Amino acid sequence: DTGVSQDPRHKITKRGQNVTFRCDPISEHNRLYWYRQTLGQGPEFLTYFQNEAQLEKSRLLSDRFSAERPKGSFSTLEIQRTEQGDSAMYLCASSLATVILHQPGELFFGEGSRLTVL
Amino acid sequence: GIQVEQSPPDLILQEGANSTLRCNFSDSVNNLQWFHQNPWGQLINLFYIPSGTKQNGRLSATTVATERYSLLYISSSQTTDSGVYFCAVEQFGYGQNFVFGPGTRLSVLP
Repeated sequence: DTGVSQDPRHKITKRGQNVTFRCDPISEHNRLYWYRQTLGQGPEFLTYFQNEAQLEKSRLLSDRFSAERPKGSFSTLEIQRTEQGDSAMYLCASSLATVILHQPGELFFGEGSRLTVL
Repeated sequence: GIQVEQSPPDLILQEGANSTLRCNFSDSVNNLQWFHQNPWGQLINLFYIPSGTKQNGRLSATTVATERYSLLYISSSQTTDSGVYFCAVEQFGYGQNFVFGPGTRLSVLP
């Protein structure tokens, strides 16, 4: 399978615990995005990477959230001291951006990681 | 930031019917995509269509960037078309992330 893969698919945790999600993008894609989606809403942008550089972060990304893409391949999203309001689907997407034309390219999403905080 | 609206919010169809979903956006966009979110939550790419018209089987899409809207046409709907349809736009000059609309929930009845 050469699509975007996310792990774990489901995570149930207690309030105050830390959780980490992993995303493996399509192999030749240079751009990687994280989005969050709550029930009945559209996905909301969290952050994106161009290769290993984190170029943009949403105000939604509080200090408890951190994302990395250390070698420009896979990425991790960590949530520290989880709160019940963090319960959501965390979506990863990748694209092949054309740097010269500043075009982000077509987004391809993974199946998501669903977080439930008790 | 850019505002994205979708209409109608909900749509119920009988199998075989046709439908048109609309996406309006408040400012100039570089890019626009249509997605179908299936009942398991996966976002499936339908069209990458910053302007013009594209067709893929029973689905087609038209974006009129100068008038700030896009339309998704579904013909001869099937029960497997059920789910939520999102449009997402990348705003010109405002970073390079896509902003999603609230979606249209489609239910196709057998």
